[in-house]
Amino acid sequence: NAGVMQNPRHLVRRRGQEARLRCSPMKGHSHVYWYRQLPEEGLKFMVYLQKENIIDESGMPKERFSAEFPKEGPSILRIQQVVRGDSAAYFCASSPKEGAVGYTFGSGTRLTVV
Amino acid sequence: DQQVKQNSPSLSVQEGRISILNCDYTNSMFDYFLWYKKYPAEGPTFLISISSIKDKNEDGRFTVFLNKSAKHLSLHIVPSQPGDSAVYFCAASGGSNYKLTFGKGTLLTVNP
Repeated sequence: NAGVMQNPRHLVRRRGQEARLRCSPMKGHSHVYWYRQLPEEGLKFMVYLQKENIIDESGMPKERFSAEFPKEGPSILRIQQVVRGDSAAYFCASSPKEGAVGYTFGSGTRLTVV
Repeated sequence: DQQVKQNSPSLSVQEGRISILNCDYTNSMFDYFLWYKKYPAEGPTFLISISSIKDKNEDGRFTVFLNKSAKHLSLHIVPSQPGDSAVYFCAASGGSNYKLTFGKGTLLTVNP
């Protein structure tokens, strides 16, 4: 029974490139949440998605960031035209129903922008 | 604006002794609190939680205390073990039950 799978584990991008981060939720989980952890900071909420729907994107930067959770396949967090300040650890969590109580986090993707 | 604060970046204790990790919050809307443990290069792992209607919750060696009037919670680990060495995050939710606000974490080191 695999946990939340995130890939890649490490991603290096040059400034101006695109970064795509993938998250496969636990089996039976249809709720996905993305968090970002900047260096020396706690995790910060970015977006909450259910299958084919964005429920809450209040934590997403207004530009360059987008997220989706299609009917088939993993959830994708997409960052266009990356800048150095996007360097962070990005964590995905999933739950069987809405709510933080049942959260299970993945191991994260560490994005480095050079 | 840090709504959840963990003022001690690090804590070092001897094996077998009690570890006490503290957390303060400012948002009165928070009604559910969680502690997560995180090892390097891994995601946070849920440890224990407490609802605002309670002032204590215990699970094995882990106990969380909530003082609503002081907007303060603490995590007690007793006895501490070397395997407990990790970063501990305090998190809170309120209003929307799915959105967590995290503190910056406390690095706990348990020395053998």
